[in-house]
Amino acid sequence: DIQMTQSPSSLSASVGDRVTITCRASQSIRRYLNWYQEKPGKAPKLLIYAASSLQSGVPSRFSGSGSGTDFTLTISSLQPEDLATYYCQQSYSTPLTFGGGTKVEIK
Amino acid sequence: EVQLVESGGGLVQPGRSLRLSCTGSGFTFGDYAMSWVRQAPGKGLEWVGFIRSKGYGGTTEYAASVKGRFAISRDDSKSIAYLQVNSLETEDTAVYYCARHQGGGYDSPIDYWGQGTLVTVSS
Repeated sequence: DIQMTQSPSSLSASVGDRVTITCRASQSIRRYLNWYQEKPGKAPKLLIYAASSLQSGVPSRFSGSGSGTDFTLTISSLQPEDLATYYCQQSYSTPLTFGGGTKVEIK
Repeated sequence: EVQLVESGGGLVQPGRSLRLSCTGSGFTFGDYAMSWVRQAPGKGLEWVGFIRSKGYGGTTEYAASVKGRFAISRDDSKSIAYLQVNSLETEDTAVYYCARHQGGGYDSPIDYWGQGTLVTVSS
């Protein structure tokens, strides 16, 4: 099974800050990496797919990069509505696996 | 508008069974792979299993933690995916989400999620 490791597990940042979340796969997954946002009490939402493609309707302050084993989700200017937990997920092989999540709080 | 609505959750005793349903609307259900993902209270997301679209063979795959106990099926004529959960354990307590893949196979991202249905396993 491919293990997905996210860091940090939580972070606190101010509105307007640049926020970076990293995700590492235990083996190469090429660019089969997706990012999801889960707000409290809501279902997850797809933000980024194929490592760097922005899902339709997602604000452009979200971006993704990486390939192989190392990936990054960046929020260029944190907004209050970005309070959420963010998950990476590999779709390279089954079992599909998620990272442990990064909880983003607003200072 | 794409919508996924889960049903069938509830309180169940250990060892018993349950069938969860996921009804899709706003898209051609049969063209898409469907996954089930669960989230235990206060925990992260765990993929349970999925079913390919008929065009990709309609086959299923499961997480090791549920293989042999859970079974996914689909009725494209009714736009419903099912998750049969057997021999339930307290560790299966979670919100179960139905989720649509962007394409017919697992390599496409999950682009839509239902609101989830809570399964509580307790005596």
